[in-house]
Amino acid sequence: GQNIDQPTEMTATEGAIVQINCTYQTSGFNGLFWYQQHAGEAPTFLSYNVLDGLEEKGRFSSFLSRSKGYSYLLLKELQMKDSASYLCAVRGTMRNDYKLSFGAGTTVTVRA
Amino acid sequence: NAGVTQTPKFQVLKTGQSMTLQCAQDMNHEYMSWYRQDPGMGLRLIHYSVGAGITDQGEVPNGYNVSRSTTEDFPLRLLSAAPSQTSVYFCASSSDPPDSYNSPLHFGNGTRLTVT
Repeated sequence: GQNIDQPTEMTATEGAIVQINCTYQTSGFNGLFWYQQHAGEAPTFLSYNVLDGLEEKGRFSSFLSRSKGYSYLLLKELQMKDSASYLCAVRGTMRNDYKLSFGAGTTVTVRA
Repeated sequence: NAGVTQTPKFQVLKTGQSMTLQCAQDMNHEYMSWYRQDPGMGLRLIHYSVGAGITDQGEVPNGYNVSRSTTEDFPLRLLSAAPSQTSVYFCASSSDPPDSYNSPLHFGNGTRLTVT
């Protein structure tokens, strides 16, 4: 099975940087995803890591360490529209690799 | 391009009633799935399908049935609704074949179900 942990809530100021950590314990590993979900809306894809290291996409970056079972999502130059829940999801090596297991999500509140 | 379309957006059922949540995608994705999202919990996989005619159970399949007669449609049936099935339900699809791992899920806008 999969065990995915991330903080419940984080608050930051507009223009600042916030780092959302995700730790996981899985039966095998085949990739880690980050999704953004605004209140009342569907999750949307942000990033994907399968190898160790940092993936950068504009203001958002995601890091992975497979040996530590650890990832983080870094949000830079925070904007009010970044207030949302951020979901960490891991694909393990179950009998069908399509299955993703999700963490409970981290609600980020950006304050002016 | 509509993506993943779910209907209805809201539904209230009484205990014991049955209903079907509809999901359709127009991206020719082979892989489709249903998740439920409850406060304080991650999205939990109910059922999934790797192609027309093929379905399998996820983490929390009890009380739900699915079928996949076409590539486009993947309905979720609640057999006899219970208050524990009050949740937000998301349908998602992906183009990911078994040997490719970087295709993200595309989610529908969700169905908010209340069972009284």
